[in-house]
Amino acid sequence: EVQLVESGGGLVQPGGSLRLSCAASGFTFSRYYMTWFRQAPGKGLEWVANIKQDGSETYYVDSAKGRVTISRDNDKNSVYLQMYSLTAEDTAVYYCARGALFVPHRPDIWGQGTLVTVSS
Amino acid sequence: NFMLTQSHSVSESPGKTVTISCTRSSGSIASNYVQWYQQRPGRAPTSFIYENNKRPFGVPERVSASIDISSNSAYLTISGLKTEDEADYYCQSFENNNQVFGGGTTLTVL
Repeated sequence: EVQLVESGGGLVQPGGSLRLSCAASGFTFSRYYMTWFRQAPGKGLEWVANIKQDGSETYYVDSAKGRVTISRDNDKNSVYLQMYSLTAEDTAVYYCARGALFVPHRPDIWGQGTLVTVSS
Repeated sequence: NFMLTQSHSVSESPGKTVTISCTRSSGSIASNYVQWYQQRPGRAPTSFIYENNKRPFGVPERVSASIDISSNSAYLTISGLKTEDEADYYCQSFENNNQVFGGGTTLTVL
């Protein structure tokens, strides 16, 4: 079964850091583009960051540049999102998703999400 | 970057047909594929329509979608509405390695 499982969310203080993980299974991870999205409470979906199959290229939404880093480990079938200088506006459910094989910016499989709460 | 604009909510009765629109602010709607995602309360989004008008396995034939260049919009149509269709629906497209979502449309079936 194709599956993505996020972890690492939780409560963090403003100004703190957090590293999210997404473990993939059921497909050849190294062949796929991966993406992180987020959804603030009661709000819509927002793209956060992309990473190419070999990790050589990464892209970020303007609001996150300089505060987040996406990375991957193809040996561990995992993609990560390191977040810094967190503010209340970063409170959201964070989803990882797989890009479709020939249309990488079309997410086709989503994880169940992990909740990040930034609060003192 | 462009924006995708959706109506906030729509309501319709069971058995009826509803169409949800998604309008691109700049650049052609045909420039890149449009996708639609369904998100039920408390759940992750799932692929509902991909590459403008294709249905993933498991999405029923009463679901269809299209793009219209003259209105620079994409449209999602669900016919024979069922209560299980109640959900948020998001359109999505991309350009230059950036992905953009519409604000989402809440479909109520009552």
